[in-house]
Amino acid sequence: AQSVTQLDSQVPVFEEAPVELRCNYSSSVSVYLFWYVQYPNQGLQLLLKYLSGSTLVESINGFEAEFNKSQTSFHLRKPSVHISDTAEYFCAVSEAGGYNKLIFGAGTRLAVHP
Amino acid sequence: KAGVTQTPRYLIKTRGQQVTLSCSPISGHRSVSWYQQTPGQGLQFLFEYFSETQRNKGNFPGRFSGRQFSNSRSEMNVSTLELGDSALYLCASRLDPNSEQFFGPGTRLTVL
Repeated sequence: AQSVTQLDSQVPVFEEAPVELRCNYSSSVSVYLFWYVQYPNQGLQLLLKYLSGSTLVESINGFEAEFNKSQTSFHLRKPSVHISDTAEYFCAVSEAGGYNKLIFGAGTRLAVHP
Repeated sequence: KAGVTQTPRYLIKTRGQQVTLSCSPISGHRSVSWYQQTPGQGLQFLFEYFSETQRNKGNFPGRFSGRQFSNSRSEMNVSTLELGDSALYLCASRLDPNSEQFFGPGTRLTVL
């Protein structure tokens, strides 16, 4: 069975500062890793994913995450945040292959202040 | 291409009633999954359907059931509602079992 731990429940940061949201996972099999973002009163939007290949994955809005197999981590980073990045961020893992459910972390609330 | 749509967006029911939620996947997607989101338990997987067959199931009581139709639309039913069933119910669709899931806006169910 897989599990996901998001180490910070809340991360306050000032606009234009860098941010890192931490995610560790546990699994005995190969996994896929995801970051989703949820804005208030909305569903989840896929931010980025790691399925295979390059361990560094990037999103179109400046976020990146690096898959570290030895440390079983998939931390999310952004070099300069905007007010509009304020949201809840969920790290998720699924067993590689078909029909496998997403296991989510508890979420990290990113609050960007002016 | 339209995203995943869920109806209704908001629902208020009383204990003991039953409720049916609907989800229309992205056009061409044949897999639909359901998740429950609550402040206490977070996001939990309910079940996944692919080509009208349930392929995976989470750890929820039998009061929670679902089905998928030939056009890939899915419904989720909860019978004998309890206060603890109050949650945001999210539907997600994907093209096939190996692709990423795209989520709808959710249905917020309040049980009084």
